[in-house]
Amino acid sequence: NAGVTQTPKFRILKIGQSMTLQCTQDMNHNYMYWYRQDPGMGLKLIYYSVGAGITDKGEVPNGYNVSRSTTEDFPLRLELAAPSQTSVYFCASSYSRGGQPQHFGDGTRLSIL
Amino acid sequence: RKEVEQDPGPFNVPEGATVAFNCTYSNSASQSFFWYRQDCRKEPKLLMSVYSSGNEDGRFTAQLNRASQYISLLIRDSKLSDSATYLCVVNPFSGGYQKVTFGIGTKLQVIP
Repeated sequence: NAGVTQTPKFRILKIGQSMTLQCTQDMNHNYMYWYRQDPGMGLKLIYYSVGAGITDKGEVPNGYNVSRSTTEDFPLRLELAAPSQTSVYFCASSYSRGGQPQHFGDGTRLSIL
Repeated sequence: RKEVEQDPGPFNVPEGATVAFNCTYSNSASQSFFWYRQDCRKEPKLLMSVYSSGNEDGRFTAQLNRASQYISLLIRDSKLSDSATYLCVVNPFSGGYQKVTFGIGTKLQVIP
């Protein structure tokens, strides 16, 4: 079972460049999430989506954009990359029924130099 | 008070020891609870759900204390492979979007 798939696994960007982190899930989950995790720190929610066409900001959305055109895909776009965006990015998904756990992709490690 | 609080540790324990972590939460309306395990630089993985009556999975036991608003994770007969960070997760679920809160995690280091 594929679960949640993230690409790329690693990426180095120059300051000011843009890129899209891809996330796709094959579990037919309505809810999807993007988190970032800085070294030694906890997860911080960037954006989330409760279904195709519906997205909303988490606690650290500045510098990022998302879209949700299908149930399966939830790409995260970085515009004008900055060194502060160097982090590990995790995508997750869950059922919309109450109390269901989130399932995570294996992350994208992004460095902005 | 933070929504979810965990002692970041590290907890250094010898192989074979029993260790327990607590996680306190502030929202009394919280409905579901989980423990996740995260290895260094890897994704969080679901370890176990926490049920009101308590539940056990092999060497792992999870308990919920609603009156005092905390959940606990007990690991018996610790193995070297148990070394990881353990995240508690609290889900208020009010019927719509779940504002899930992750704790910062408790780091466990099992020593030979």
